[in-house]
Amino acid sequence: GDSVTQMEGPVTLSEEAFLTINCTYTATGYPSLFWYVQYPGEGLQLLLKATKADDKGSNKGFEATYRKETTSFHLEKGSVQVSDSAVYFCALSDRNTGNQFYFGTGTSLTVIP
Amino acid sequence: NAGVMQNPRHLVRRRGQEARLRCSPMKGHSHVYWYRQLPEEGLKFMVYLQKENIIDESGMPKERFSAEFPKEGPSILRIQQVVRGDSAAYFCASSPPSVATEAFFGQGTRLTVV
Repeated sequence: GDSVTQMEGPVTLSEEAFLTINCTYTATGYPSLFWYVQYPGEGLQLLLKATKADDKGSNKGFEATYRKETTSFHLEKGSVQVSDSAVYFCALSDRNTGNQFYFGTGTSLTVIP
Repeated sequence: NAGVMQNPRHLVRRRGQEARLRCSPMKGHSHVYWYRQLPEEGLKFMVYLQKENIIDESGMPKERFSAEFPKEGPSILRIQQVVRGDSAAYFCASSPPSVATEAFFGQGTRLTVV
């Protein structure tokens, strides 16, 4: 069945460091891929998405490229800020499973000044 | 267009009572998903519903838990005879029927069982 595997946390970085959070997926069809962010005490917000192979999603300095050959959708940011501290979730939606959404376990990021 | 509305935001129940969590999806959204999040843990899928139908309830415990999404009104997640282990944040998300679109999340209901 469909699933998402993402890097275990927690991750602690200094401000202005480079961020990578790995995400790989398994899907029967051609899924859409998403990154969501959750700030403390809040619900999940969409950060970026990509709907087909080689698409790059980007938002607020974050990027992720849909790699079909490696079934990956790694999240990157060149220079993190303290305000980026949050939990990040990788997710997929697969039309072959009726648009069911599958989430990774989440990666907690803490950025220290 | 209002976002996904969940209420109540916080709910306290004594062991053995019933908890009812409500979710009003965004306008035009016919798909609703419920997730549970325990402290310091990820999201656990519970149930996926479309209007008047349960599509996938594989993540929902067989006993005490039920969900519905009627033709009119919000989706309801119902937990009967709550126990301490049910204490968690419960999130609802909705999406439109079209493919390749994201799910939109509510702010969650934080259930505390005392």
